[in-house]
This record gives sequence, structure tokens and C-alpha cells, in this order.
Amino acid sequence: AQSVTQPDIHITVSEGASLELRCNYSYGATPYLFWYVQSPGQGLQLLLKYFSGDTLVQGIKGFEAEFKRSQSSFNLRKPSVHWSDAAEYFCAVGAGTASKLTFGTGTRLQVTL
Amino acid sequence: DTEVTQTPKHLVMGMTNKKSLKCEQHMGHRAMYWYKQKAKKPPELMFVYSYEKLSINESVPSRFSPECPNSSLLNLHLHALQPEDSALYLCASSQEGIRAGGYEQYFGPGTRLTVT
Repeated sequence: AQSVTQPDIHITVSEGASLELRCNYSYGATPYLFWYVQSPGQGLQLLLKYFSGDTLVQGIKGFEAEFKRSQSSFNLRKPSVHWSDAAEYFCAVGAGTASKLTFGTGTRLQVTL
Repeated sequence: DTEVTQTPKHLVMGMTNKKSLKCEQHMGHRAMYWYKQKAKKPPELMFVYSYEKLSINESVPSRFSPECPNSSLLNLHLHALQPEDSALYLCASSQEGIRAGGYEQYFGPGTRLTVT
């Protein structure tokens, strides 16, 4: 069975600083990988996805992620964080079909002004 | 348009009540999902409908009863719930169901359910 680990429960960055959120997955074959963002009391918004091809994927809101098979990682990055990026971020893996997603435990991002 | 709508936004119900949550999408997606999310936790899958048929039930108690009247609508009927069922209930949809892979899920804003 697949699994996802987000090692950082809580991260604080200053506005304008760069951001990297870590995600490690466990799955025997090539997984489908996703990053979602959730503001308090809201639904999840898809930031980006990786299915195949170019290992560096671009998403919405200036986010990007890089798939590294050798490290079983799919880390999310943003060069300059805005205060509005404060939210909960979930990494997810879909295996076999993307219909059944396994989510990581999430990383809460706090942005200081 | 990648919008999934859910009604109501908030629901308070007693343990003896019967209520329903509604979810709607007009993206032509053929798979729809119900998730339960407790505070500070990731979403937990409850049900998957693929081509209007129930394809996955994650051993959810029978007090939760899903229904998919057509490809755009998904309901969750609630009866005799317990206080521990209080949570954010999220609906999602994706282009294809479990017969295909590689399709992302789009989530609605959720219904905040409180059971008293």
C-alpha cells in the first residue's frame, strides 16, 4: 500500500522568503502525486500534479514541485512567499488509479510580515 | 470551470435527526467522492461513485448513506449520527473513475457538520 510522509508539521517563514515543503512517498511503481492547499474551514485546492514526463512541474500561485524518484520525494517550492499563502498544505499520492488518494498529515504554513 | 458546490455550508443536527448533504458538479466528471475531515487531520475517504455506481465504501457505518441520482449530483444521507461524527464533509469529483488513472480530484468547500 502507498503512504505519504510530510515531516514538517508546522513551518514559519517571513513574507518574501523562499519556501520548501517536504513530501516523501512510498509506492512500488510510478505514483501520481499531488499538492493541495487548504485555508481554514475551506475545501482543498489543487496546486499542482505529477503524472509523468518532466519532473519539474509548475502549478498555480507561483508554486512548483520536483519529482525525484531516487529520493521518493515530491517537494513543493515557492521562491517568494506572500502572506496569503498561509494555510495547510497536503501532499497526496494516487496509486493504480488516482481515484483513491492517500494524503500526508499536512504542513501548516505560517507567514510572518 | 472547476467548481464543485456543496450545500449546506453548516449543519447542526441532533442524534435522532435525519438530514442530507448535497454536492453538485457540472464539469462532466464521472467520479464523485465523499471525504470526512476532522480538525487538524487530512481528509479520509468514505465513498467513491464511478459512473453513478458505488465503487468504494471504506467501511463507513450505515448511519451514512450515499446516493448518486445522476452524474452531476451526489448526496449523503445522515441518520442517527453520533457526536464524534462532527467534522467537515468534503465532496470531490474527477474526470474518470476507478477504471482509469491519472486524474486529479477537485474539491468542494465542504459542509461543517455538528452533531449535538
